[in-house]
Amino acid sequence: KQEVTQIPAALSVPEGENLVLNCSFTDSAIYNLQWFRQDPGKGLTSLLLIQSSQREQTSGRLNASLDKSSGRSTLYIAASQPGDSATYLCAVLPNNNAGNMLTFGGGTRLMVKP
Amino acid sequence: GAGVSQSPSNKVTEKGKDVELRCDPISGHTALYWYRQRLGQGLEFLIYFQGNSAPDKSGLPSDRFSAERTGESVSTLTIQRTQQEDSAVYLCASSLSGSGNTIYFGEGSWLTVV
Repeated sequence: KQEVTQIPAALSVPEGENLVLNCSFTDSAIYNLQWFRQDPGKGLTSLLLIQSSQREQTSGRLNASLDKSSGRSTLYIAASQPGDSATYLCAVLPNNNAGNMLTFGGGTRLMVKP
Repeated sequence: GAGVSQSPSNKVTEKGKDVELRCDPISGHTALYWYRQRLGQGLEFLIYFQGNSAPDKSGLPSDRFSAERTGESVSTLTIQRTQQEDSAVYLCASSLSGSGNTIYFGEGSWLTVV
C-alpha cells in the first residue's frame, strides 16, 4: 500500500526566504506526482504535475523535482511571500492501471510572516 | 463552468438524517472523484467515476454511503442515517479521461452532523 509522507508538518518563515517542502512515497511505481495548495476553508488548487518520466517542473517561483527511484519529491518556493501561506499537499498516482486514485500526504502547513 | 462546482457549500444536519451532496465537474471531464477530509486530517479517497460507471468504490466507508453519476456530468454523493463521524469536508474533483491528467478540485461541501 502506497504511503506518502510530508516533512515538515508545519513551517514558519520570514518573508523573502527560499524554502523547500519535502514529500516521500513508499512505492516508486507511480504514474505522476502532483503538488496542491489548500487555503483554509477552501478546496485544493493544483500547482504542478510531474510525470514519472520527468525530473522537474517549474511555474513562476515554484519548482518541483522528482526522484522516483528514491521515492522523493521536493517543492521549492523562491522569495516567499505572505500570500504563499497555505497548506501544501503532495499526491501520487499509482502506475497500476487500477484507477485514478491519488494518495495524499498529510500536508505541510506554511506560514510566511511579513 | 470554469471550475468544479459543489453544493451545498455548507450543511448542518441532525444525526440520523440523510444528506445529498452535488458535484458539477468541469465540462468535458469524464473522470470524477470524491474525497473526504476530516478536520485536521489528510484526504481520504471515496470513489472514482469514469463516465457514468464507478470502477473503484473501494474508499466508501460504509453501506450508508453511495454515489451516482448521470450524463457523464453531475454526480451526487448520498449519506444515509448520518453519524457524527461523518462530519468532514467532502471534496469533488475532475480530470480529462485517463491517467496522468491534472486533477482539479472543487471548494468542497462542509458537512456538520449534530
